[in-house]
Amino acid sequence: GNSVTQMEGPVTLSEEAFLTINCTYTATGYPSLFWYVQYPGEGLQLLLKATKADDKGSNKGFEATYRKETTSFHLEKGSVQVSDSAVYFCALRTGRRALTFGSGTRLQVQP
Amino acid sequence: EPEVTQTPSHQVTQMGQEVILRCVPISNHLYFYWYRQILGQKVEFLVSFYNNEISEKSEIFDDQFSVERPDGSNFTLKIRSTKLEDSAMYFCASSENGAGSSLNTEAFFGQGTRLTVV
Repeated sequence: GNSVTQMEGPVTLSEEAFLTINCTYTATGYPSLFWYVQYPGEGLQLLLKATKADDKGSNKGFEATYRKETTSFHLEKGSVQVSDSAVYFCALRTGRRALTFGSGTRLQVQP
Repeated sequence: EPEVTQTPSHQVTQMGQEVILRCVPISNHLYFYWYRQILGQKVEFLVSFYNNEISEKSEIFDDQFSVERPDGSNFTLKIRSTKLEDSAMYFCASSENGAGSSLNTEAFFGQGTRLTVV
């Protein structure tokens, strides 16, 4: 079956620090990969996606590259801001199946 | 920009009561989903719905749960007899699937309904 494993949080960083949140997956079939973000008190918003190997998804300074050989989709940002504080979910989808989410990683950015 | 809307934003109910959570998916989308998130925990899949029938469901989605698309716009989740452990944030989502092999598209989520069972 499909599963997603994310690094445990919380991740606490100072403003302008470099961010990496690790995500690895197992999937039957060829998945599309996603990062969703959940700001405090809000729903899930798509942050970025990649649909095939070596694709790089990017948005708002965040990037993630679909690595088929390592079954990974790590989220990175070069310089985080306080406003990036949120919970980040890695997810995948194969075919017509529903999204499978990781457990989420809480990011706290301190000024 | 089109969005998924959910009502109510917060529902408090007594244990054993029935609740209906409502969602209006994005209008040209074909797949509809319900997920739940117990406070501070992971997002768990409940059910997906396509072509007026359930296409996939998880082990959480037992006989206490049902879904319906009563008209062309609404998508509802019913919990027949709520339990304390049903307290969670419930998210509706929808996705658009292209023809043929253009699958694997993202899902768009509503803001959620916080269900509190007392």
